[in-house]
Amino acid sequence: DSGVTQTPKHLITATGQRVTLRCSPRSGDLSVYWYQQSLDQGLQFLIQYYNGEERAKGNILERFSAQQFPDLHSELNLSSLELGDSALYFCASSVGDGTIPEQFFGPGTRLTVL
Amino acid sequence: AQSVTQLGSHVSVSEGALVLLRCNYSSSVPPYLFWYVQYPNQGLQLLLKYTSAATLVKGINGFEAEFKKSETSFHLTKPSAHMSDAAEYFCAVRITGNQFYFGTGTSLTVIP
Repeated sequence: DSGVTQTPKHLITATGQRVTLRCSPRSGDLSVYWYQQSLDQGLQFLIQYYNGEERAKGNILERFSAQQFPDLHSELNLSSLELGDSALYFCASSVGDGTIPEQFFGPGTRLTVL
Repeated sequence: AQSVTQLGSHVSVSEGALVLLRCNYSSSVPPYLFWYVQYPNQGLQLLLKYTSAATLVKGINGFEAEFKKSETSFHLTKPSAHMSDAAEYFCAVRITGNQFYFGTGTSLTVIP
């Protein structure tokens, strides 16, 4: 158990809908990272937040957005969902803003878009 | 550009045999390198990391990896495979900033 929690574990929805994925980092970790894992694209970095502020952006679509709240939990919002958005979405956390390198991963949320 | 290449998307070894999973990186600056393991329906778990200290890094579950700058490699090894080692293994690099670049993964099968 990494100490990173993600809810829900599974999510099934239809095209065009909007969903919110939630992540709670390990106690004391200030950084949260979001990743998308799909069969054809592998593990792709989406976005990072550090202490409430966006710190780095990866291959995140404009239909996707994220935020980190004062209690440090983070939410990833996915809108206008397409079939291709079906994937595992992982959240990871780390102590600092990246200067201490390792990240700890949550169990993931499996999103299925029908 | 920074990248990680894992050679061999599938590797099969017999139980008790040597495990060797290959990872090569490209970077213009000294990198941080990582190996993660992912068991079915679980998140990624850190196996070991290289952060510019000793070039031979020991991790959990008997795994180790050696950083070879001249070969830009960070191969993962384990002397004797166990059935419980069957999983997906990811090599990752962090060069500057906060972005990790992951390889495409290697699925390890252990044959009894």
